[in-house]
Amino acid sequence: DTEVTQTPKHLVMGMTNKKSLKCEQHMGHRAMYWYKQKAKKPPELMFVYSYEKLSINESVPSRFSPECPNSSLLNLHLHALQPEDSALYLCASSQDPSGSGSYEQYFGPGTRLTVT
Amino acid sequence: AQKITQTQPGMFVQEKEAVTLDCTYDTSDPSYGLFWYKQPSSGEMIFLIYQGSYDQQNATEGRYSLNFQKARKSANLVISASQLGDSAMYFCAMSDFNAGNNRKLIWGLGTSLAVNP
Repeated sequence: DTEVTQTPKHLVMGMTNKKSLKCEQHMGHRAMYWYKQKAKKPPELMFVYSYEKLSINESVPSRFSPECPNSSLLNLHLHALQPEDSALYLCASSQDPSGSGSYEQYFGPGTRLTVT
Repeated sequence: AQKITQTQPGMFVQEKEAVTLDCTYDTSDPSYGLFWYKQPSSGEMIFLIYQGSYDQQNATEGRYSLNFQKARKSANLVISASQLGDSAMYFCAMSDFNAGNNRKLIWGLGTSLAVNP
């Protein structure tokens, strides 16, 4: 089973709202990722969690706050977003490449976020 | 710096024919991995195939094969017997094996493939 699930599929929020995106995987992966993708562009890495600890933050604005409650779950808390934050938000997971090596990432279906 | 180049913004192929999507890469690291992903209009990013820099043989997965030419730094995706469902954006990506960098994928800009009936 190579399934990563994300909820909600679509989200419309105002600039003063607080909302959360959720991601779940049951593949036993210990690395989880958040990406932001604009239309017709490749995904941009936002955060990486390794063994439930934040290992990479790609200088993402603090209005995006990630959380990894356990090895299967990844959340992205959103607050005071701007219209330019409207995008597809993708979650992914992989075996953890601690040490050397490289592993494929499996993606969820994404959340299409619109900020009004 | 590492870089992935996909020179074909858009491609057309006739159903049941084979198609090659180009990908060239640049890295000074001897150990790296190359990936191809498919993204239909629905948005989900689907992993297709992986090639490690030390793999002796070209990777294959069903109708997908990766034509890996290390000296030329190319990793082209070949799709045999195209199907209508193959219409999508295809991304080539790379990561190196060094700890700390190996969680990051370097992405190409993608190739939009349309399969004609």
